[in-house]
Amino acid sequence: GQQVMQIPQYQHVQEGEDFTTYCNSSTTLSNIQWYKQRPGGHPVFLIQLVKSGEVKKQKRLTFQFGEAKKNSSLHITATQTTDVGTYFCLSGTYKYIFGTGTRLKVLA
Amino acid sequence: EAQVTQNPRYLITVTGKKLTVTCSQNMNHEYMSWYRQDPGLGLRQIYYSMNVEVTDKGDVPEGYKVSRKEKRNFPLILESPSPNQTSLYFCASSLGAGRTYEQYFGPGTRLTVT
Repeated sequence: GQQVMQIPQYQHVQEGEDFTTYCNSSTTLSNIQWYKQRPGGHPVFLIQLVKSGEVKKQKRLTFQFGEAKKNSSLHITATQTTDVGTYFCLSGTYKYIFGTGTRLKVLA
Repeated sequence: EAQVTQNPRYLITVTGKKLTVTCSQNMNHEYMSWYRQDPGLGLRQIYYSMNVEVTDKGDVPEGYKVSRKEKRNFPLILESPSPNQTSLYFCASSLGAGRTYEQYFGPGTRLTVT
């Protein structure tokens, strides 16, 4: 079945450094959504991308959807301690597949 | 306040003792779904419901049952729990099913089966 691989699994950065996580699929994705889960919390929606090559920004966060709609990335510029958590990608229309998540730790 | 609620939040039970985890949303959402989260495996979909009386299997439905008799409620039933169902469970809802709808997640239910 469809799988979405997410890398890296873990990332430790110094506060102020940039961070990027990638989601890759072997098949074309209809859409991609990104969620953030704080430690001990539940996933919270960040953004959705549906168009080939789409780029969206939210303050320090930049989201991209690949031209072939098989990959996506989330980039955080100048990380802060509030960025700590696990970032997931999600794809589907009613039956959903999650990426395995990237756990971000920010060292002050 | 718009929210998804789950009960109980924590549960320790024994193998074979039937249990139900309730999920309720107050946003009049049509779509609801259950997920389990395990270390190294991420979130996986168990069952979903497109609307009242319409449910279907996700990726890992074995050992679980669901029902959707009312729009707001989507309980998850474990008829005979086993230790491999020890996990963190999330219920989620969205306005509809489709590529443009964000999902709202409940706070989670941590289940331990001994």
